[in-house]
Amino acid sequence: NAGVTQTPKFQVLKTGQSMTLQCAQDMNHNSMYWYRQDPGMGLRLIYYSASEGTTDKGEVPNGYNVSRLNKREFSLRLESAAPSQTSVYFCASRATSGGTDTQYFGPGTRLTVL
Amino acid sequence: AQSVAQPEDQVNVAEGNPLTVKCTYSVSGNPYLFWYVQYPNRGLQFLLKYITGDNLVKGSYGFEAEFNKSQTSFHLKKPSALVSDSALYFCAVREQGANNLFFGTGTRLTVIP
Repeated sequence: NAGVTQTPKFQVLKTGQSMTLQCAQDMNHNSMYWYRQDPGMGLRLIYYSASEGTTDKGEVPNGYNVSRLNKREFSLRLESAAPSQTSVYFCASRATSGGTDTQYFGPGTRLTVL
Repeated sequence: AQSVAQPEDQVNVAEGNPLTVKCTYSVSGNPYLFWYVQYPNRGLQFLLKYITGDNLVKGSYGFEAEFNKSQTSFHLKKPSALVSDSALYFCAVREQGANNLFFGTGTRLTVIP
């Protein structure tokens, strides 16, 4: 049971390049989330998926797209990277039944946009 | 609207002394409250949560937190700090029935040997 996994761990992009951050969970959770963490700002929600086949915008969705490929996988895409997207990105998942109601986080992807 | 405030960016405490990391929240309905810890270059690890029931919640690594509805607070506490407790601590809130967690800006705890 690996929990929440993310790839890659590190990435450096040039302005205008695109990339996809991958996330997978093996806990059979319905909901999945993408956050970004910036110094002094805590974690801010980019997008979330309440269940397979649905996605919704969070607090800071501009410049990002997501795909809930199946129940296990939730990817985040940057179509044209900008320096303002330099951040640490965390994926999380949560069971929405069974009473646990706890989000579990992946190890993060550190992205630098030059 | 939901929000969380962690009024202290930094808390320093001597090893063996009790520690408190403060958190206040704002939600329209019933709150679900969480504490997470982040060690350097790692993801967030769940410490404890309050959903309902006893106001004093016990969690991992000897931490506990007290839910105070009148003061809208959920402070994290530990009776005796360890150097290994040094980390970044996040408080988070979800309103009952909502899907999203709202995080505070974090408090960096340093335990001095």
